[in-house]
Amino acid sequence: DAMVIQNPRYQVTQFGKPVTLSCSQTLNHNVMYWYQQKSSQAPKLLFHYYDKDFNNEADTPDNFQSRRPNTSFCFLDIRSPGLGDAAMYLCATSYGDSGANVLTFGAGSRLTVL
Amino acid sequence: QKEVEQNSGPLSVPEGAIASLNCTYSDRGSQSFFWYRQYSGKSPELIMFIYSNGDKEDGRFTAQLNKASQYVSLLIRDSQPSDSATYLCAVIRGNTPLVFGKGTRLSVIA
Repeated sequence: DAMVIQNPRYQVTQFGKPVTLSCSQTLNHNVMYWYQQKSSQAPKLLFHYYDKDFNNEADTPDNFQSRRPNTSFCFLDIRSPGLGDAAMYLCATSYGDSGANVLTFGAGSRLTVL
Repeated sequence: QKEVEQNSGPLSVPEGAIASLNCTYSDRGSQSFFWYRQYSGKSPELIMFIYSNGDKEDGRFTAQLNKASQYVSLLIRDSQPSDSATYLCAVIRGNTPLVFGKGTRLSVIA
């Protein structure tokens, strides 16, 4: 089935140790998003790619970076994770980014920072 | 002012009752409105979306939109224990990405 796949589902890292989360999609959607969701909070947009065009939210910390080497894959790099970065990281895709387009989410990657 | 506001709950309803979930938004230019359901530890899944004022029904779910009041709601008829989850309201304007509310936690009591 066409879908959005995130790996790993669970990631435990130590304070300051870099982490990379991956997202792949078989939907051939041209827009990919990374959201951060902490407990009992709204998903917060970190970045999105419209095709290869990278869009960084103004309040996304510099500690977070992203790469999209091709249409199907997108990576989230956390250079020096802090305790406050523990969260669920959600990848989503859509075809186009107009208001008519529905987001399809992956299962999420839960990050724990020790 | 938060862009999308929801009562965090929990909202408790008995099985078989109607659950009413509410959402207000601040951007009067918002065009599309989405309701997502999120089970604990899982990712959001789309329930339905609405663009036009009025009601939109899909099975046991009805979305209601009032753009003049900047208000969107979700009604769940014949609530089931399996409906117990957090319901996220999300709003979009033009080509800007989706903005989510914090969600309302619904508990359906058997």
